Amino acid sequence: GAVVSQHPSRVICKSGTSVKIECRSLDFQATTMFWYRQFPKQSLMLMATSNEGSKATYEQGVEKDKFLINHASLTLSTLTVTSAHPEDSSFYICSASAGARDHEQFFGPGTRLTVL
Amino acid sequence: GENVEQHPSTLSVQEGDSAVIKCTYSDSASNYFPWYKQELGKRPQLIIDIRSNVGEKKDQRIAVTLNKTAKHFSLHITETQPEDSAVYFCAASIGGGNQFYFGTGTSLTVIP
Repeated sequence: GAVVSQHPSRVICKSGTSVKIECRSLDFQATTMFWYRQFPKQSLMLMATSNEGSKATYEQGVEKDKFLINHASLTLSTLTVTSAHPEDSSFYICSASAGARDHEQFFGPGTRLTVL
Repeated sequence: GENVEQHPSTLSVQEGDSAVIKCTYSDSASNYFPWYKQELGKRPQLIIDIRSNVGEKKDQRIAVTLNKTAKHFSLHITETQPEDSAVYFCAASIGGGNQFYFGTGTSLTVIP
């Protein structure tokens, strides 16, 4: 099946710093990528949808200026958590879709963010 | 937007018994319903999916049923094994390239 990677897998940072998370589709072109966050023992909450070359669409309640998403190519999307605070600590997971003819989403391994 | 509810939140079964997890959705436009298995700290893995043009799909010990009229779908695992223990999520989507809306998850424990 299709492979999606995420980097870094874990990051610990100080409050107030920014953190960038990369999501790559390794063996297919992802026209659409999705970003989720997951708190312990909770479900995956969709944060935003990004299409290559256009602005991301954010879900209600997600601050677009805090969670910057860039989908610069068909194989790479980045999520930057700006001015991170302890409440941003979470598991962030991306997924990628090959497009309108493909229902399946392929998930990355996730990034554990801890903000001190 | 779409709202997906999932029950139960936790489920314990004896090895060899069956497990059933149920989900309901609100948006009648949803037409794709995947089920994911997630082990602690790992990525969700697709285990089975169903499209709205069929009512049931089976893959070995796993089956999914869909009732479009009632807007609910269920996951059935037969002959459960300890390695089936994980968190299971249902999701609904209106189609290719579109967002998934996940249920709240079911933590399944299979007791040896």
